[in-house]
Amino acid sequence: AQSVSQHNHHVILSEAASLELGCNYSYGGTVNLFWYVQYPGQHLQLLLKYFSGDPLVKGIKGFEAEFIKSKFSFNLRKPSVQWSDTAEYFCAVKTGGFKTIFGAGTRLFVKA
Amino acid sequence: DVKVTQSSRYLVKRTGEKVFLECVQDMDHENMFWYRQDPGLGLRLIYFSYDVKMKEKGDIPEGYSVSREKKERFSLILESASTNQTSMYLCASTPPLANYGYTFGSGTRLTVV
Repeated sequence: AQSVSQHNHHVILSEAASLELGCNYSYGGTVNLFWYVQYPGQHLQLLLKYFSGDPLVKGIKGFEAEFIKSKFSFNLRKPSVQWSDTAEYFCAVKTGGFKTIFGAGTRLFVKA
Repeated sequence: DVKVTQSSRYLVKRTGEKVFLECVQDMDHENMFWYRQDPGLGLRLIYFSYDVKMKEKGDIPEGYSVSREKKERFSLILESASTNQTSMYLCASTPPLANYGYTFGSGTRLTVV
């Protein structure tokens, strides 16, 4: 069955630290990849997406993600986190048709 | 600003009750989805619809049904609520093109007692 794995359920960082959240998926065909973010008390919103072309994708608020096809990975990165990045982050994979599969989420807490 | 609006932010219902969760979008999107969000499990797809009166089962449809009589509205129905349906329910919509992500509603936190 298709699945999405997020390696860390909880991450705690200090401000200015670098961030990398892992995401791996199990599907051998063409995929569309997403990262969503849910800030405390807010609705889920799209952070960035990959469909084709340059495997390094830049999103809002200084986030980027790299698609490595050979590793079935789409890791999220940010060079220097801020307190306002405290949120839950979800990796998602669309494998065709209408369905998108979500990972279990990673809760990031940034210490001020 | 485009929106997906869920009618209730919090709901408390009794076991056995029939529960309706409403979702309305103002973006003229064809595709609409209902997910439930549980800690450690991420988002799991309950049902989706790609057109008016069309519906498809997702990964966990048992105990749920849906209705889409108008393009902008997608309702989730819990036929007989049970305590294991206590969860956060999220509605989302997208246009038919593959390269769009979801637009989510704010969610409905349902507690079944």
